[in-house]
Amino acid sequence: QKEVEQDPGPLSVPEGAIVSLNCTYSNSAFQYFMWYRQYSRKGPELLMYTYSSGNKEDGRFTAQVDKSSKYISLFIRDSQPSDSATYLCAMSPNTGANSKLTFGKGITLSVRP
Amino acid sequence: DTEVTQTPKHLVMGMTNKKSLKCEQHMGHRAMYWYKQKAKKPPELMFVYSYEKLSINESVPSRFSPECPNSSLLNLHLHALQPEDSALYLCASRPVRRDRNSGANVLTFGAGSRLTVL
Repeated sequence: QKEVEQDPGPLSVPEGAIVSLNCTYSNSAFQYFMWYRQYSRKGPELLMYTYSSGNKEDGRFTAQVDKSSKYISLFIRDSQPSDSATYLCAMSPNTGANSKLTFGKGITLSVRP
Repeated sequence: DTEVTQTPKHLVMGMTNKKSLKCEQHMGHRAMYWYKQKAKKPPELMFVYSYEKLSINESVPSRFSPECPNSSLLNLHLHALQPEDSALYLCASRPVRRDRNSGANVLTFGAGSRLTVL
């Protein structure tokens, strides 16, 4: 079993839809959870950062972490064509320079006008 | 300045060439990273520098040679590469802090250098 599993997609939705992206993980030591967005031929950019369990909201984006189920989600409300990108979940057990991020494989989202 | 700047954006090289990728950040981050990303795959860690010292080498072949001349700069020297080394090379940095809610685990990535080895 991989440490982090992410539905590979791709996912296509109409503009205005609510999008739900999910990752599961097996390492109970993970405490820090991130979602990165990567446009084609660009580097990943951070969307959301969460420590431990709970919800975090930023504009149209909501990140949820359920450590008991080892499950994290990213919700995008009122999706826009500009949200079309690859979304990567990432997580790590601790802070520090040598703390490695473990990434999911990424899911490509397409929002149709 | 909240950016990680990578040059060149694109590089084409032959298998016998020597070239370098450069990365610069002025956010005061003391941890810097090289990642390799193949198409439709997540980034794979190559090297970690902490306070300008190499702290992690993920068993990367010696044809890739990293260098951290100072706290703002990170280089990746390339020599005798293979076509399978063609990829997007990403530099990243992050602060080194212990405050769990400070986002100290958050990597800031550059736009990448797209390398093609012929």
